[in-house]
Amino acid sequence: DTAVSQTPKYLVTQMGNDKSIKCEQNLGHDTMYWYKQDSKKFLKIMFSYNNKELIINETVPNRFSPKSPDKAHLNLHINSLELGDSAVYFCASSPEEGWFTEAFFGQGTRLTVV
Amino acid sequence: RKEVEQDPGPFNVPEGATVAFNCTYSNSASQSFFWYRQDCRKEPKLLMSVYSSGNEDGRFTAQLNRASQYISLLIRDSKLSDSATYLCAVNNYDKIIFGKGTRLHILP
Repeated sequence: DTAVSQTPKYLVTQMGNDKSIKCEQNLGHDTMYWYKQDSKKFLKIMFSYNNKELIINETVPNRFSPKSPDKAHLNLHINSLELGDSAVYFCASSPEEGWFTEAFFGQGTRLTVV
Repeated sequence: RKEVEQDPGPFNVPEGATVAFNCTYSNSASQSFFWYRQDCRKEPKLLMSVYSSGNEDGRFTAQLNRASQYISLLIRDSKLSDSATYLCAVNNYDKIIFGKGTRLHILP
């Protein structure tokens, strides 16, 4: 009964490949996010979606393309992977957009680009 | 000024001691604040929410100082199991911004 689930948990791939990470939440939340946590452990927001609509794109390279087929799913597709894309990618969700809402995280996808 | 700033530590504290972390934020319009705990190779998990002046939950107390734009986390009677990274987070309406985290090691 995982609330926010991501697949895969680990992903090792070569430079130049294209890969996708899937995220699903069963909490009935309206808002979903993608965060990137680099080797220095800094958790940085990438995208924010509210009811399937893109709200925030934090100057992420356009090789990263999120897609939200419905408000329970937010997938992340990455084209032409680079070494610097190696990180842990966390999906998260919030009940709603607004001043008084917290985020609940998936278990993360550890991406290693070789 | 960075959106959310924390002392990265590490804080090395003997078991049973009291430890406090501070976090400063730049957006004076922010309304809600959070402390998350992140264990090694795990996802961040919500520890406490702070909406007004403060919140207490057992050994943990979070306080908010709007005038100075900082929040604090106090851990009393620390346990070995409290060893983790503590992330401060601020809700800026359309996104939740995290600090870089403070590492805490509780020493036996």
